[in-house]
Amino acid sequence: AQTVTQSQPEMSVQEAETVTLSCTYDTSENNYYLFWYKQPPSRQMILVIRQEAYKQQNATENRFSVNFQKAAKSFSLKISDSQLGDTAMYFCAFMKHRKAYGGSQGNLIFGKGTKLSVKP
Amino acid sequence: NAGVTQTPKFQVLKTGQSMTLQCAQDMNHEYMSWYRQDPGMGLRLIHYSVGAGITDQGEVPNGYNVSRSTTEDFPLRLLSAAPSQTSVYFCASSYLPSSYNSPLHFGNGTRLTVT
Repeated sequence: AQTVTQSQPEMSVQEAETVTLSCTYDTSENNYYLFWYKQPPSRQMILVIRQEAYKQQNATENRFSVNFQKAAKSFSLKISDSQLGDTAMYFCAFMKHRKAYGGSQGNLIFGKGTKLSVKP
Repeated sequence: NAGVTQTPKFQVLKTGQSMTLQCAQDMNHEYMSWYRQDPGMGLRLIHYSVGAGITDQGEVPNGYNVSRSTTEDFPLRLLSAAPSQTSVYFCASSYLPSSYNSPLHFGNGTRLTVT
């Protein structure tokens, strides 16, 4: 079975600084997808960034980027120029590729989350 | 475009009561699912569906029932509520296959308290 581990329950960063959230996962699959979700106090689940396992290039979305190390099964999230609005819970998630569906059936396995506080 | 709509937003039940959490999506997504979120546990999959008439169990299905009679709706039923079911519940949907190009869309959650 797949597992996702986020080893930092809480982190804080000063506004405008850079912070990295760690995520490791365990799987025997070769093809899969990885995601980072943000959950602000509003409770909404917001997709931040995504990565396909067969793509070696690290994904970037504006101030958010990942360091994907497939051999090490590591998928860390870097937030540059942190803003107060980045304060939230961040969840790392894994989705298995399923041949029967030509991709995946959508079931996500989540880590337990990292609570990030951005301080002014 | 409403996306994924969950009702109610908040609910308080007494132990033993039954209720249905509603989930509807207007994006014609084949895949729908229910997750529960507990402090320190992340989100865990309860049940999911890959199309009308097809449902399957996730990681924590006990105490919950689902059905999928239409593409749009995927209600979650608590047959006899227990305090252990106090949680925040999320519904999510996507096209199939779910992937990089078709990620999950989440509803805004239902906070359920069982006393």
